[in-house]
Amino acid sequence: EDQVTQSPEALRLQEGESSSLNCSYTVSGLRGLFWYRQDPGKGPEFLFTLYSAGEEKEKERLKATLTKKESFLHITAPKPEDSATYLCAVQPSGGSNYKLTFGKGTLLTVNP
Amino acid sequence: ETGVTQSPTHLIKTRGQQVTLRCSSQSGHNTVSWYQQALGQGPQFIFQYYREEENGRGNFPPRFSGLQFPNYSSELNVNALELDDSALYLCASSLASSDSPLHFGNGTRLTVT
Repeated sequence: EDQVTQSPEALRLQEGESSSLNCSYTVSGLRGLFWYRQDPGKGPEFLFTLYSAGEEKEKERLKATLTKKESFLHITAPKPEDSATYLCAVQPSGGSNYKLTFGKGTLLTVNP
Repeated sequence: ETGVTQSPTHLIKTRGQQVTLRCSSQSGHNTVSWYQQALGQGPQFIFQYYREEENGRGNFPPRFSGLQFPNYSSELNVNALELDDSALYLCASSLASSDSPLHFGNGTRLTVT
């Protein structure tokens, strides 16, 4: 069974204080690893897809990286508007490739 | 480009009742997936529809059922509601290609009392 574990569960940063979120995964074969951002009362908003170890993707202050066992979401010089829950999900490459398995998320709070 | 829209936004039902939730796909998307998100948890896969047929199902009982219509909109039906069904129900649309990411609506918050 596919599993995703995210850490820490919650992270509080000061504006400008860079940090990283971790996503560890177990999947029989990885088709893709996804990062989403979710604001309170809203649906998840797509950020990145990573497909193979060594791949990196960037968007504004966010950079996602992937290894064979985990992914990191690096946040550089965060701003209060980056406060949200960040969700990681894996898509298997086999017969169940129609579904994503999500972690519980990391709640990020950036204080001004 | 119109995003994924869901209705209603909030719903309160009594245990044992039935509920229907609705979803309109993002323009151009032909696949719809439904997820259940309990408080403090990540979304859990319920099922996916493609070409009006169920394409895959998660670990949910048969009282969870769905439909997809020719215009790619979709419904989620839940019979015999239980207290544990209280959650945010998320609809997501995508293209049939496995490279296409899911685009989520803002969900329906269901409370079962």
